[in-house]
Amino acid sequence: DGGITQSPKYLFRKEGQNVTLSCEQNLNHDAMYWYRQDPGQGLRLIYYSQIVNDFQKGDIAEGYSVSREKKESFPLTVTSAQKNPTAFYLCASTGQGSRHEQYFGPGTRLTVT
Amino acid sequence: AQSVTQLGSHVSVSEGALVLLRCNYSSSVPPYLFWYVQYPNQGLQLLLKYTSAATLVKGINGFEAEFKKSETSFHLTKPSAHMSDAAEYFCAVTRANQAGTALIFGKGTTLSVSS
Repeated sequence: DGGITQSPKYLFRKEGQNVTLSCEQNLNHDAMYWYRQDPGQGLRLIYYSQIVNDFQKGDIAEGYSVSREKKESFPLTVTSAQKNPTAFYLCASTGQGSRHEQYFGPGTRLTVT
Repeated sequence: AQSVTQLGSHVSVSEGALVLLRCNYSSSVPPYLFWYVQYPNQGLQLLLKYTSAATLVKGINGFEAEFKKSETSFHLTKPSAHMSDAAEYFCAVTRANQAGTALIFGKGTTLSVSS
């Protein structure tokens, strides 16, 4: 089945540690996105990538980094510079001709203590 | 700049009652509009989308939405609520008429359904 996988589902880290969240898609989509979700805040865009080896900052990129070395993969690193990293992180992708419709992964809940 | 406003962070209805979730948008370009549903601790699932074809859009699970340009609205309705409709709903608009650009989401409306 085609889709987006995010791993792990739950992640726990100590403050001051960097952590990388995985996002893999087998939909052959060109564009991929990372969103952060906090209660009552909706989804806020962190980074997005329209093609391999290229990515752009979203609205809340500070304290995060990404890479796009393969079309299928778009990992997100939450660095120690991110002041409030505890959140639900969602990865999404869009294919050519899909008219901006985004397909979402199941999400990773990150807790930093 | 584009934006999305969802009126009412929480809506409660009885099973069998009409569901109405409100969404207003602002956009400097002809928008594409979406409604997504999210169940607890899961990703978002597309309910329906408006992409400049018919203004009344039918989606999954009996939901529909009407694009009203004059009111800049895209409200989501369902004639008869079911217990399984209890979830969080998000309205979203395209940022610009450009492929690969991200969506702007509203803050969400939590729908509760009582028996």
